[in-house]
Amino acid sequence: GEDVEQSLFLSVREGDSSVINCTYTDSSSTYLYWYKQEPGAGLQLLTYIFSNMDMKQDQRLTVLLNKKDKHLSLRIADTQTGDSAIYFCAEIPPNDYKLSFGAGTTVTVRA
Amino acid sequence: EAGVVQSPRYKIIEKRQPVAFWCNPISGHNTLYWYRQNLGQGPELLIRYENEEAVDDSQLPKDRFSAERLKGVDSTLKIQPAELGDSAVYLCASSAWGVDTLDTQYFGPGTRLTVL
Repeated sequence: GEDVEQSLFLSVREGDSSVINCTYTDSSSTYLYWYKQEPGAGLQLLTYIFSNMDMKQDQRLTVLLNKKDKHLSLRIADTQTGDSAIYFCAEIPPNDYKLSFGAGTTVTVRA
Repeated sequence: EAGVVQSPRYKIIEKRQPVAFWCNPISGHNTLYWYRQNLGQGPELLIRYENEEAVDDSQLPKDRFSAERLKGVDSTLKIQPAELGDSAVYLCASSAWGVDTLDTQYFGPGTRLTVL
């Protein structure tokens, strides 16, 4: 089973903001990642955050980390149809390489 | 720069047949990973190579799965014989472990296996 949990589905109107949530279990995780998977494709690294950070912004993407609640979120501003995909949250413990993935959140952008 | 290359992209076989998947990692990446992604789930690690050495194969079902990474570059994952439950997407990833403190894994497009 997965130690990383995500909601399964999100529907958002084009132009609105999307917020994808994730909870993780390892309080000592070093890095937390967001990957995007489009239909028939592999996983594309979107962004990551180091566990000593609270927030990271990269163009339309904003990652927020609440270490107390072990909660990670990804906000996509001005959501476009090309943002329709499955988004995976993943954690990696310190000095380790094994990525633990959530089950993925399917984001559907409607016109 | 070319990304991780995998072939074939799709494979349909009958149960009890053998199948093999091939992966070419990003140039210069010493570490290679094979993951299995079942429908509706995130990827799960099968095996990890550092150069030509399999340093973690604890999740690889060794009765029917095998992998090799001769010369520390390309890798092949084999299933013999395949079972119905092996239907999944098999993802290859690579990283420059030990070179950078952030060991970011880059994924290939995957091979979608259907066992009938």
